[in-house]
Amino acid sequence: SQKIEQNSEALNIQEGKTATLTCNYTNYSPAYLQWYRQDPGRGPVFLLLIRENEKEKRKERLKVTFDTTLKQSLFHITASQPADSATYLCALDGTGTASKLTFGTGTRLQVTL
Amino acid sequence: DAGVTQSPTHLIKTRGQQVTLRCSPISGHKSVSWYQQVLGQGPQFIFQYYEKEERGRGNFPDRFSARQFPNYSSELNVNALLLGDSALYLCASSLDVGRRQLGYTFGSGTRLTVV
Repeated sequence: SQKIEQNSEALNIQEGKTATLTCNYTNYSPAYLQWYRQDPGRGPVFLLLIRENEKEKRKERLKVTFDTTLKQSLFHITASQPADSATYLCALDGTGTASKLTFGTGTRLQVTL
Repeated sequence: DAGVTQSPTHLIKTRGQQVTLRCSPISGHKSVSWYQQVLGQGPQFIFQYYEKEERGRGNFPDRFSARQFPNYSSELNVNALLLGDSALYLCASSLDVGRRQLGYTFGSGTRLTVV
């Protein structure tokens, strides 16, 4: 069955450093991989999408890489700020008639001063 | 512009009861999806509707049903509630099923507690 793994342990980063979050998947060939941010008690907020034929995508301080051979995506936040503290979710999507996101369990990021 | 609106925000129900959750998508968005998020887990896909038709269904029992109205708003119904149905129910809105590259806009969810 499809499986998406994100580091279940919280990631603690000092302000100004680069945070790197990992998303690994098995038994899946996604056409799209998305990253979302979720704050406690709120819905996920879309951050970035990368296609299967793209290696890297950037948006301001965010960078996503996608390696379909390794079945892995890395999500980087440069110059981390305390406001970046949240849970980050990786989600995979295929090309079927229904757009059905399959989410990982998320990684909690804590940025300290 | 208003984002995705879900109601109610919180709900407490007793085992065996039925519940209806509501979602209004972003204006102009024709697709609505429902997800269940249990504490500590990622959201799990329940349904997707587009133009009032069901386009996809996740691995949930028949106690879960949904529909989409002509104005593209949607309702999720859960019958015969179980304790395990306690979760945050999220609604996601998108322009249409083909524009995946635009991502999805989620509402803040309905927190359902079954006692």
